[in-house]
Amino acid sequence: SAVISQKPSRDICQRGTSLTIQCQVDSQVTMMFWYRQQPGQSLTLIATANQGSEATYESGFVIDKFPISRPNLTFSTLTVSNMSPEDSSIYLCSAMEGMSTEAFFGQGTRLTVV
Amino acid sequence: GENVEQHPSTLSVQEGDSAVIKCTYSDSASNYFPWYKQELGKRPQLIIDIRSNVGEKKDQRIAVTLNKTAKHFSLHITETQPEDSAVYFCAASNEFQGGSEKLVFGKGTKLTVNP
Repeated sequence: SAVISQKPSRDICQRGTSLTIQCQVDSQVTMMFWYRQQPGQSLTLIATANQGSEATYESGFVIDKFPISRPNLTFSTLTVSNMSPEDSSIYLCSAMEGMSTEAFFGQGTRLTVV
Repeated sequence: GENVEQHPSTLSVQEGDSAVIKCTYSDSASNYFPWYKQELGKRPQLIIDIRSNVGEKKDQRIAVTLNKTAKHFSLHITETQPEDSAVYFCAASNEFQGGSEKLVFGKGTKLTVNP
């Protein structure tokens, strides 16, 4: 099974600034996703990171706020732009290998905006 | 799009008892139903999954049942242990040849197993 490394694991940021979260997979994967998880809540899909093309965003999430890159089959970044306290959350990277539908998750990035 | 409802939101059982968590889905095209366990501060991890070509799957103390007609599936944990305490998420997606659509998650069930 794929191993996903995500960094940073946590950060405290000033409002108005941006944070880029990195997700590295130890093998090539077909699909990568970014989720947001508020404490005690479910996983909300932000977008599907597409290799070599623009990410596919879910309703309520826009590229200007959450730009995503996926330059190859093992790496993706999520940027949280112009942060406000409402962006405080856990952000999780996820990936699916090949034909498998099993989704693996990174350990998450706990973001606090002050 | 797909919508997944999960019940109950919290569940407390005594050690050794069984626990059942239920989910319903709305999209009849969904054919893949995984269950994830998330311990406090940890990442979600797949514990069992089922595809629509079977009605039940077991793995030791964990089983999942699927009723395609009624569009619901359930997680059954027998002989619960304190280490089963966690938040459990059900999910659904449409798996097709060569890939799958995104997973849609339920809201989660916080299971507490009391010693």
